[in-house]
Amino acid sequence: GAVVSQHPSWVICKSGTSVKIECRSLDFQATTMFWYRQFPKQSLMLMATSNEGSKATYEQGVEKDKFLINHASLTLSTLTVTSAHPEDSSFYICSASDRAGANVLTFGAGSRLTVL
Amino acid sequence: KQEVTQIPAALSVPEGENLVLNCSFTDSAIYNLQWFRQDPGKGLTSLLLIQSSQREQTSGRLNASLDKSSGRSTLYIAASQPGDSATYLCAVPSYNNNDMRFGAGTRLTVKP
Repeated sequence: GAVVSQHPSWVICKSGTSVKIECRSLDFQATTMFWYRQFPKQSLMLMATSNEGSKATYEQGVEKDKFLINHASLTLSTLTVTSAHPEDSSFYICSASDRAGANVLTFGAGSRLTVL
Repeated sequence: KQEVTQIPAALSVPEGENLVLNCSFTDSAIYNLQWFRQDPGKGLTSLLLIQSSQREQTSGRLNASLDKSSGRSTLYIAASQPGDSATYLCAVPSYNNNDMRFGAGTRLTVKP
């Protein structure tokens, strides 16, 4: 079945630094990937929709200059948290569909970011 | 905008009990509904996917039902075990974007 891989699975960084999280579709091509954020004991909230070869679409309230998304190929999307602050500490999960319009997403294992 | 609600937020039961988790959604025009399991600090494990044309799906001790017209789904867990302890999330596709909208989850604890 479809597999989505995220890296790193966890990262600790100092306040003010930037962190990049990768999301790869291992055995399929994904024109669209989705990035979610999950704060402790809360549900997943969609941050942005990553479109291969074009700009990402951000949900209301998500700063596009802070959360940079690049989807340069059909198998890779990256999320860069720029100038990270402690309030950015969260669990970030990406997902992708292996079939256009299938409305079934495969999720990565998530990346836990801790900003000191 | 699709809103997903899960009740109860938390549930604690003794081992062996049968239990029901509830999920409701505001927009009944869904393609499918999916139930996930999430262990603490981990990603999502897909449990059951119900297509809009189906009324229920079963996998082992799990049974999920879907009533589109009333905007409800239930996840039934039979003969619960301590290993079932986790957070259970239901999710439906967003109508216009292909992403998924999640409920806040039910945190289940099964006591030995």
